[in-house]
Amino acid sequence: TQLLEQSPQFLSIQEGENLTVYCNSSSVFSSLQWYRQEPGEGPVLLVTVVTGGEVKKLKRLTFQFGDARKDSSLHITAAQTGDTGLYLCAGPRRTGTASKLTFGTGTRLQVTL
Amino acid sequence: KAGVTQTPRYLIKTRGQQVTLSCSPISGHRSVSWYQQTPGQGLQFLFEYFSETQRNKGNFPGRFSGRQFSNSRSEMNVSTLELGDSALYLCASSLAGTSGEKLFFGSGTQLSVL
Repeated sequence: TQLLEQSPQFLSIQEGENLTVYCNSSSVFSSLQWYRQEPGEGPVLLVTVVTGGEVKKLKRLTFQFGDARKDSSLHITAAQTGDTGLYLCAGPRRTGTASKLTFGTGTRLQVTL
Repeated sequence: KAGVTQTPRYLIKTRGQQVTLSCSPISGHRSVSWYQQTPGQGLQFLFEYFSETQRNKGNFPGRFSGRQFSNSRSEMNVSTLELGDSALYLCASSLAGTSGEKLFFGSGTQLSVL
């Protein structure tokens, strides 16, 4: 069982459409991060949300952290072909005295002309 | 400044062989983490090194091991390769590896086991 479940798993839309990607957990996280990974590359951090209810905007991307800090969403307005990629949410989990970043199952987005 | 560098970019091995992957973190970063990425399991944490010490370990068999050198460069080794070890292996560096800190990923090493 994955700690962070993302939905949908795949999304294929046309340029100009809006979309929302979800990241859900039954556990509380101190913070959540969103990464985008393009083919042949490693993930790149887009944003970190740390406060319940927090909303952050990055150009056409809007990120929200749930009030209970168990879920997050990413909304893209007027998607462009350059938004194509694998979107991953990630949250820190403590194991003993150390912390590791746990990644979600991912949402693969394809934006076509 | 230069990003995280992983070598080699691609590797093809046969079952039973062993492999060593290399990761050079961003200058000044002391934490290096390794992840395995497969289509079925997604990104799975392997281990993290900080100042030459393994600080955290994921749920992988003992065939997977790693180390970190005094210049923060890290290597991971997989012995007795199995078909299921075919994956993209990603290395990430950060300043201190603390909770919520930004990770900088390399482009990965694509390992194919035949």
